[in-house]
Amino acid sequence: DVKVTQSSRYLVKRTGEKVFLECVQDMDHENMFWYRQDPGLGLRLIYFSYDVKMKEKGDIPEGYSVSREKKERFSLILESASTNQTSMYLCASKKPSTDTQYFGPGTRLTVL
Amino acid sequence: SQQGEEDPQALSIQEGENATMNCSYKTSINNLQWYRQNSGRGLVHLILIRSNEREKHSGRLRVTLDTSKKSSSLLITASRAADTASYFCATDARGRDDKIIFGKGTRLHILP
Repeated sequence: DVKVTQSSRYLVKRTGEKVFLECVQDMDHENMFWYRQDPGLGLRLIYFSYDVKMKEKGDIPEGYSVSREKKERFSLILESASTNQTSMYLCASKKPSTDTQYFGPGTRLTVL
Repeated sequence: SQQGEEDPQALSIQEGENATMNCSYKTSINNLQWYRQNSGRGLVHLILIRSNEREKHSGRLRVTLDTSKKSSSLLITASRAADTASYFCATDARGRDDKIIFGKGTRLHILP
């Protein structure tokens, strides 16, 4: 059964903290994605990765970085969290040249 | 860069009634997908329709695609309380490599 897990369901951090959001998939998928979801804005792509050590900017990469050291793990990093990064963060994965993305349960991050 | 726009933004119907949601998009596509998101959770893939298809069924779901109007509809027949969720269309947007673009979603509420 397909599974994407995210390290935390809820996270509260303070402004200026470095934040790591972890995503792990057990489906041997090459492609992985990080989105943020905000009311009225839908899902917006932050970063994605086609393979280990590869990363590409999405539509809103500013203030974020990513790490893909292993195929199954894709980490989103907020170098210095700000209040406007309070959001729901969703990770997804898929096989190349297929269309269906499999999502994790999401991490609701609050930056105070 | 939003591609799909769902309509209506919110919909409330009585249990047992049919629910129809629409999605419009801007550029040529290879396929269009519909996803469901239960409150505070990740997205779950429902159905995919390719650009050369006009209609597709899956259980109580029926999806239509009109590429000339750049629009799609999702029909849920005989709605149930468990169908209460947000529904998103997602398009692959030719030229965007392996990424898909999500709309802002329709919030569906099934009344008992």
